[in-house]
Amino acid sequence: QQQVKQSPQSLIVQKGGISIINCAYENTAFDYFPWYQQFPGKGPALLIAIRPDVSEKKEGRFTISFNKSAKQFSLHIMDSQPGDSATYFCAASNFNKFYFGSGTKLNVKP
Amino acid sequence: GAVVSQHPSWVICKSGTSVKIECRSLDFQATTMFWYRQFPKQSLMLMATSNEGSKATYEQGVEKDKFLINHASLTLSTLTVTSAHPEDSSFYICSAHRDSFYEQYFGPGTRLTVT
Repeated sequence: QQQVKQSPQSLIVQKGGISIINCAYENTAFDYFPWYQQFPGKGPALLIAIRPDVSEKKEGRFTISFNKSAKQFSLHIMDSQPGDSATYFCAASNFNKFYFGSGTKLNVKP
Repeated sequence: GAVVSQHPSWVICKSGTSVKIECRSLDFQATTMFWYRQFPKQSLMLMATSNEGSKATYEQGVEKDKFLINHASLTLSTLTVTSAHPEDSSFYICSAHRDSFYEQYFGPGTRLTVT
């Protein structure tokens, strides 16, 4: 059973546009929701994370929106740049064990 | 801060041999480390959870006798792929859980090719 569902599988955005990636989870015991960015041949890098006691967290051009009642959270990348082209993974955790989404390959066109 | 290293970054070995991959947390202590396997264009698959000073916990379907994990110190965990076969070729990534924090930090990965 997939604990975290992520969509879309791939995304093409023009430079300067907004990239939006969505994730949904089932287990209400999850209390930590990070997003990771991965470039080809590299390990995932922590981008931004949120706890369920807040509905939004912003760091630079990256924003997480969290809807606890709907059990959904999303990553918004404002002013998307070609350098943002990578695969993004959402995850959910109950402190020790992480469950990852299937990934979204983002391509930002110049 | 929160840097995790892996060694080697890539390795080619012959079928039937064993390969050891090291994962180190460079600037923090990690009671718990994780080992993942990632196939091309796919998500991370958790193989096992490694706890310092105790036996690793393997995920269902992962052969514990084939993928030996040792977590001898608070900064080092190793994964040994024993009697490697071509189907073991993959990208192996470790991560370290920073004690008392939620964050999990990933290493750069090790590309294993078995010929």
